[in-house]
Amino acid sequence: NAGVTQTPKFQVLKTGQSMTLQCAQDMNHEYMSWYRQDPGMGLRLIHYSVGAGITDQGEVPNGYNVSRSTTEDFPLRLLSAAPSQTSVYFCASSSSRYEQYFGPGTRLTVT
Amino acid sequence: GQQVMQIPQYQHVQEGEDFTTYCNSSTTLSNIQWYKQRPGGHPVFLIQLVKSGEVKKQKRLTFQFGEAKKNSSLHITATQTTDVGTYFCAGRPTGNQFYFGTGTSLTVIP
Repeated sequence: NAGVTQTPKFQVLKTGQSMTLQCAQDMNHEYMSWYRQDPGMGLRLIHYSVGAGITDQGEVPNGYNVSRSTTEDFPLRLLSAAPSQTSVYFCASSSSRYEQYFGPGTRLTVT
Repeated sequence: GQQVMQIPQYQHVQEGEDFTTYCNSSTTLSNIQWYKQRPGGHPVFLIQLVKSGEVKKQKRLTFQFGEAKKNSSLHITATQTTDVGTYFCAGRPTGNQFYFGTGTSLTVIP
């Protein structure tokens, strides 16, 4: 099992550009989440999904969209990148509300 | 806003000393999880606590969940250099969202 995979590992965007961060898991987990991690802020939930076709907002959803068309994939879309979105992004999956498995992260810089 | 507070933010200890990090929530939690993140890495699950007053041990690590289910602690006995990293708590009030604490960064001086 690959667990949770994320691509790309690093990305630099200019302000106003859009992009999609990819996340996939092969553990058949129904729960998937996107977090952002900023220094001194811990991890903050952006969006999450409790199953294919079902998504909901977390603490900091503005500027991001998600969709969940399959159990395996949960992409995160930045609609119009802003410098405030410079962060490390982690995708996580879990079975029910138990242990969350995190991907290796995407380090995003917006200039 | 942040619902789960964690202290201290940083802790430097001599190898062999004990270490404790504390987590406090403004609301009652259904459960709480603890994670460890090594520098440059991703969070890795350590444990989940569910019951009021619960205490769980993993070798040198002891986890406690408060009686009111609003606070939790992680205690490491006789720290080793392999314990270096940031320790996060993540509490779930109700529903599906976990709220992470700000983390405690542990440095172990050999």
